[in-house]
Amino acid sequence: DGGITQSPKYLFRKEGQNVTLSCEQNLNHDAMYWYRQDPGQGLRLIYYSQIVNDFQKGDIAEGYSVSREKKESFPLTVTSAQKNPTAFYLCASSIVGGSGRAGYNEQFFGPGTRLTVL
Amino acid sequence: GQQLNQSPQSMFIQEGEDVSMNCTSSSIFNTWLWYKQDPGEGPVLLIALYKAGELTSNGRLTAQFGITRKDSFLNISASIPSDVGIYFCAGQRDDKIIFGKGTRLHILP
Repeated sequence: DGGITQSPKYLFRKEGQNVTLSCEQNLNHDAMYWYRQDPGQGLRLIYYSQIVNDFQKGDIAEGYSVSREKKESFPLTVTSAQKNPTAFYLCASSIVGGSGRAGYNEQFFGPGTRLTVL
Repeated sequence: GQQLNQSPQSMFIQEGEDVSMNCTSSSIFNTWLWYKQDPGEGPVLLIALYKAGELTSNGRLTAQFGITRKDSFLNISASIPSDVGIYFCAGQRDDKIIFGKGTRLHILP
C-alpha cells in the first residue's frame, strides 16, 4: 500500500544530543514537509522540499536541519541548538503544481513521531 | 503573515447532534482542505475543495468553499463517538498551505 511512514513512533533523547527523525513515502510525491505540533496547538512548518536536493525553511527552522537526497526520503535532524525540542513531529507529502487543481497540493501525513528530550 | 481563524476552538456536544465549524481568512485561497486528527496520530484528509462556492459531502460530512474564497465551513451531521478529535482547516495558494489551529470536538455521553 502507498503511504508515508515515520519512525520511530516514540523517541527519547538526552538534552544536548542531536536526533534524526525518519520520513519515507512511496506515493511518488515531489514535495515533502515537516511540521511541529505542541499540545493543544496547530501545525507549524519547520522545513519543506519540493524537489530532490532542494529545501526551504519554514516558519520555525532554527535548531533543525534536513536533507533531500532521495525523492522518497526527507529526514529531519533536531539539533542541540533547538531550545525546546520536545514535541510531536509530523511529516507530510504532496503533489505540487496546478494551484486549485484536484489532487494537487493536498498534503498527506505520516503517523508522527513523539520526541521527548530528558 | 497569512493567518487562518478557525472557530470554535473547542466544542462539547451530545451524541447525535450536528456540528458546524468554520475558517476565515483575509487572504484568498485556491484550495480548502479539511483534516481530522485522532490523538497521537497524523491528520487525515477528509474533504478537499477546489472551486469557490463548491459544496462537497463525504458521508455525514459536508464542507463548502466560500464564494469570496476567504472562508470555508465543515458540518458533521448526527455525530457519533468516533467523531471525537481535532479538525483542522487548511488554505492553499501557490506553494503555500496555511493551517488553522484546529477545533477540538468532544462528545458527551
